[in-house]
Amino acid sequence: AQSVTQPDIHITVSEGASLELRCNYSYGATPYLFWYVQSPGQGLQLLLKYFSGDTLVQGIKGFEAEFKRSQSSFNLRKPSVHWSDAAEYFCAVGAYSGGGADGLTFGKGTHLIIQP
Amino acid sequence: DTEVTQTPKHLVMGMTNKKSLKCEQHMGHRAMYWYKQKAKKPPELMFVYSYEKLSINESVPSRFSPECPNSSLLNLHLHALQPEDSALYLCASSSLGTSGGNLADTQYFGPGTRLTVL
Repeated sequence: AQSVTQPDIHITVSEGASLELRCNYSYGATPYLFWYVQSPGQGLQLLLKYFSGDTLVQGIKGFEAEFKRSQSSFNLRKPSVHWSDAAEYFCAVGAYSGGGADGLTFGKGTHLIIQP
Repeated sequence: DTEVTQTPKHLVMGMTNKKSLKCEQHMGHRAMYWYKQKAKKPPELMFVYSYEKLSINESVPSRFSPECPNSSLLNLHLHALQPEDSALYLCASSSLGTSGGNLADTQYFGPGTRLTVL
């Protein structure tokens, strides 16, 4: 079975500073990896995704992530955070069987706090 | 357009009530999902409709009953719920698309229904 680990429950970053959120996955085949962001009481918004090809993927809101198969990692980065980036961030892996989707398995999430 | 809509936004119900949550997408997606999210926890998959076939998470109690009237609509019928069922219920959809011959599927989520069971 697949699993996702986000080792940091909370991260505090000063506005304007760089950000890296860590994600490690466990999956037997080629992983399909995603980062979602969730503001309080809201749904999940897709930031970016990796299926294949270029291991550095660009997303919305200035985010990027790098897939490293050797480290089973898919870390999310942003060069300069804004106060509006404060939210909960979820890394997820997709599983598929028999041509149909089996849903996403999420990490526990990282709560991002932005200091002024 | 990647919009998934959910109604109602908030729902308060008693343990003897019967209610339904509704989800709709007009993106032509062929899979739809229900997730349950407790406070400060990640979403957990409840049900998947894929190619009009239902997949059930065996741990989901029978007081939750999904229905897919057509490819654009997904309902979740609620009956005899317990207070511990209070949560944010998220609907998602995906195209089951491919890229380079491989499955390349992305789930898009609705805003959720905040359910409180008294």
